[in-house]
Amino acid sequence: GAGVSQSPRYKVTKRGQDVALRCDPISGHVSLYWYRQALGQGPEFLTYFNYEAQQDKSGLPNDRFSAERPEGSISTLTIQRTEQRDSAMYRCASSLGGGHGYTFGSGTRLTVV
Amino acid sequence: GQNIDQPTEMTATEGAIVQINCTYQTSGFNGLFWYQQHAGEAPTFLSYNVLDGLEEKGRFSSFLSRSKGYSYLLLKELQMKDSASYLCAVPDTGYGGSQGNLIFGKGTKLSVKP
Repeated sequence: GAGVSQSPRYKVTKRGQDVALRCDPISGHVSLYWYRQALGQGPEFLTYFNYEAQQDKSGLPNDRFSAERPEGSISTLTIQRTEQRDSAMYRCASSLGGGHGYTFGSGTRLTVV
Repeated sequence: GQNIDQPTEMTATEGAIVQINCTYQTSGFNGLFWYQQHAGEAPTFLSYNVLDGLEEKGRFSSFLSRSKGYSYLLLKELQMKDSASYLCAVPDTGYGGSQGNLIFGKGTKLSVKP
């Protein structure tokens, strides 16, 4: 697509529920990144993929968080048994690499009540 | 690991020039990025420096000194629409682009006053 698309834009869920956040990167972008951003802070790295391979998941806070990109395009970030502290803006970005920088999606605002 | 430091907030006047500084400590280095983020929106790419010196792009310029671990973003002829957060970022583990993820600073919130 023309840009990085994330869905849903907003998600309100009850504590203990599982949520799945979707990211559709720019066509042809090899790398896909997941970040979390708190208000007034910079994006905090969670995990990233080159094609379908998860290269680094060191930023995932705990084992309730997982991500996949099975066909090297669309990616899903899943949070199991959500907690209130998981409430944040979750951003996806994709990149051609080198000095081109990332293109970020509009994000998913997750609120756990 | 990487550590990035930039001022939290700055204020400047419309039409003026402002310089936003960023200092970093990295175990390896492969470039430095600047992003602009308007309130409620996604960060957008502004510039990438990998060599020392000044890169000019219209009203925005970015400077890098690798030996000092220092960069700045220079905004000229400030406009009200330049009010935003400006994020400094470096690749993790010394790899750039698709070979690694970016580590972002906390951002500098710039307010442009009439």
